[in-house]
Amino acid sequence: KAGVTQTPRYLIKTRGQQVTLSCSPISGHRSVSWYQQTPGQGLQFLFEYFSETQRNKGNFPGRFSGRQFSNSRSEMNVSTLELGDSALYLCASSLRTSGNTDTQYFGPGTRLTVL
Amino acid sequence: GNSVTQMEGPVTLSEEAFLTINCTYTATGYPSLFWYVQYPGEGLQLLLKATKADDKGSNKGFEATYRKETTSFHLEKGSVQVSDSAVYFCALSPLGSQGNLIFGKGTKLSVKP
Repeated sequence: KAGVTQTPRYLIKTRGQQVTLSCSPISGHRSVSWYQQTPGQGLQFLFEYFSETQRNKGNFPGRFSGRQFSNSRSEMNVSTLELGDSALYLCASSLRTSGNTDTQYFGPGTRLTVL
Repeated sequence: GNSVTQMEGPVTLSEEAFLTINCTYTATGYPSLFWYVQYPGEGLQLLLKATKADDKGSNKGFEATYRKETTSFHLEKGSVQVSDSAVYFCALSPLGSQGNLIFGKGTKLSVKP
């Protein structure tokens, strides 16, 4: 079974631009969560989508948004990029069937560099 | 609030040494607890998990026991290998909150031959 895939793997943008990252979950998984990983802040939860609806949201500004499609694929968008948005963005998928015991499976991440 | 505290790294060990990485948590009720591992340039891989008190998760020689009384989930391995060199993250999934993992800062392990 194919794992979680993320595209692109690397991205370079300049301040003020916007960016869209894509995530395809494991087949059959309907929940997709996004995380930001930086050396200073570590791994931080951005948001989770299930059945095309945002179910949970972390403490990030409104510049960070996402959506989920009917095939469970998800995209996240960051508008008006800032230097501090440089990070590894990780996507994770899960079945979301058994409460907080579900395992999340992670993709390889998208490395975003903002110049 | 919910939080995870891991021992500071980096940790450097010789091959075949015993490994312990401490993890304690703060949470309401009974969270699920996880250890993930991240190899250079890769995403996170689940190493093991435990979903209720006194559960022991194990995988590839690694073990961790969910201790409610000490709010801990320490990772152990009896004999590390060079291939175990990676960053290890302890995480919790809060009760009543799905899809949201709260991570510790990570512990970098280097194993020397």
